[in-house]
Amino acid sequence: DAGVTQSPTHLIKTRGQHVTLRCSPISGHKSVSWYQQVLGQGPQFIFQYYEKEERGRGNFPDRFSARQFPNYSSELNVNALLLGDSALYLCASRLAGPQQGQYFGPGTRLLVL
Amino acid sequence: TQLLEQSPQFLSIQEGENLTVYCNSSSVFSSLQWYRQEPGEGPVLLVTVVTGGEVKKLKRLTFQFGDARKDSSLHITAAQPGDTGLYLCAGDDYKLSFGAGTTVTVRA
Repeated sequence: DAGVTQSPTHLIKTRGQHVTLRCSPISGHKSVSWYQQVLGQGPQFIFQYYEKEERGRGNFPDRFSARQFPNYSSELNVNALLLGDSALYLCASRLAGPQQGQYFGPGTRLLVL
Repeated sequence: TQLLEQSPQFLSIQEGENLTVYCNSSSVFSSLQWYRQEPGEGPVLLVTVVTGGEVKKLKRLTFQFGDARKDSSLHITAAQPGDTGLYLCAGDDYKLSFGAGTTVTVRA
C-alpha cells in the first residue's frame, strides 16, 4: 500500500505570497493532520480533519487554513507568508483513534525569502 | 509550555554500545508514541504504548511506559550506525504533542 504522499516536496516563496500544500492519506484513513516542524524542534500541531470536518486547531494564526476533500485528501493554505513560516510541513493520517499511531508523509520543505 | 520533555538532547555513542532515551510528560495522554526521523524526511512510527507498565520490544529496541502513564523510555541494545536519527516521543489525544527530540549518533 502507498504511504502518505505530499506535494510539492520543496517550495520557495517570497514574503507576502500565499502557498498551498497538498496531502493524500493512506487508503482507508479518514483522519488527516498537519504539523509544522522548524529546525531543531519537534513537530507542532496545526490542524486535524476527520470526515471533512475540522476537529482540532493548534496555536497558529488565521493566515493558516486547511480543508479536507471527499476523497479524504487535504490542502493546507498559508496566506501572507512571513520569514518565520519557513519550515518542514508534515501531513499525517490515521485509521482510527489515538491508540493507533499516525503515519507521516515525507513533508514539504517551504523556504520563505 | 513544553508538555513532553526528552533527555538527553544529544547522544553520541560507538557501534555496539547501548543507549537509553527518556520522555517525561506533565500530562496523561490516551497513548504515547515513539518516532524516528531522518533529516529531510517525515517521522516514522516505531511504537504506540497505551497501558501503564507496558513493555514492548521491536528487535533491538525496548520501549517502557511508566505505571502512571507519564514517563517512557526507549532502550537500544548493541546500537548500529543505522540507528542514527532524531528520536521523538509524542503524547496522543487525537493531536500529537511532541517533545523536542533526542539526536542519536552511532559511530562506526
